[in-house]
Amino acid sequence: QKEVEQNSGPLSVPEGAIASLNCTYSDRGSQSFFWYRQYSGKSPELIMFIYSNGDKEDGRFTAQLNKASQYVSLLIRDSQPSDSATYLCAPYGMDTGRRALTFGSGTRLQVQP
Amino acid sequence: EAGVTQSPTHLIKTRGQQATLRCSPISGHTSVYWYQQALGLGLQFLLWYDEGEERNRGNFPPRFSGRQFPNYSSELNVNALELEDSALYLCASSLALAYRNSYEQYFGPGTRLTVT
Repeated sequence: QKEVEQNSGPLSVPEGAIASLNCTYSDRGSQSFFWYRQYSGKSPELIMFIYSNGDKEDGRFTAQLNKASQYVSLLIRDSQPSDSATYLCAPYGMDTGRRALTFGSGTRLQVQP
Repeated sequence: EAGVTQSPTHLIKTRGQQATLRCSPISGHTSVYWYQQALGLGLQFLLWYDEGEERNRGNFPPRFSGRQFPNYSSELNVNALELEDSALYLCASSLALAYRNSYEQYFGPGTRLTVT
């Protein structure tokens, strides 16, 4: 089993819809989770960080974490064509072995105008 | 505030040669991370340096090495290049461990290494 699993997509949603991106992880020691956005040919950009069970909202983005189920998701409301990118999930821990990010393979999101 | 910078942008080498990639972290950041993003393999952790010391290493052979200088900039060296080393090499930086938000890693634009 991979440490971090993401559906590679592409996930296609119409403009204005809610895009739901999912990520499961195997290491129960992971304490926090990052979501990065990566446009084609560019480097990853940090968009969300969540460490508590439940939801965290930041503008049009909502991250949801369920540690018992080892599942984290990212919701993008009112999706825009500019949101079309690959979204990478990465668990994080404070101990040395987990501090380096282990990324999922990413989900490619396509927002259709 | 300037972000993470990397040089060169592109690097073309032949098999068996050595490649040296450079990274300058965000001002005030002391940790530097190196990642490899090869086609079809996703982003994989290579090395982590903090305060001049190697703190952690990913599952890569010893021919991948690096160092961190007193000004916190870093260098990644890849010896005996192989065709499969062709990838985008990304550097990220973060604040020192003592800071609350030291977990936030910010990426540079990357160096595209092509091995022929």
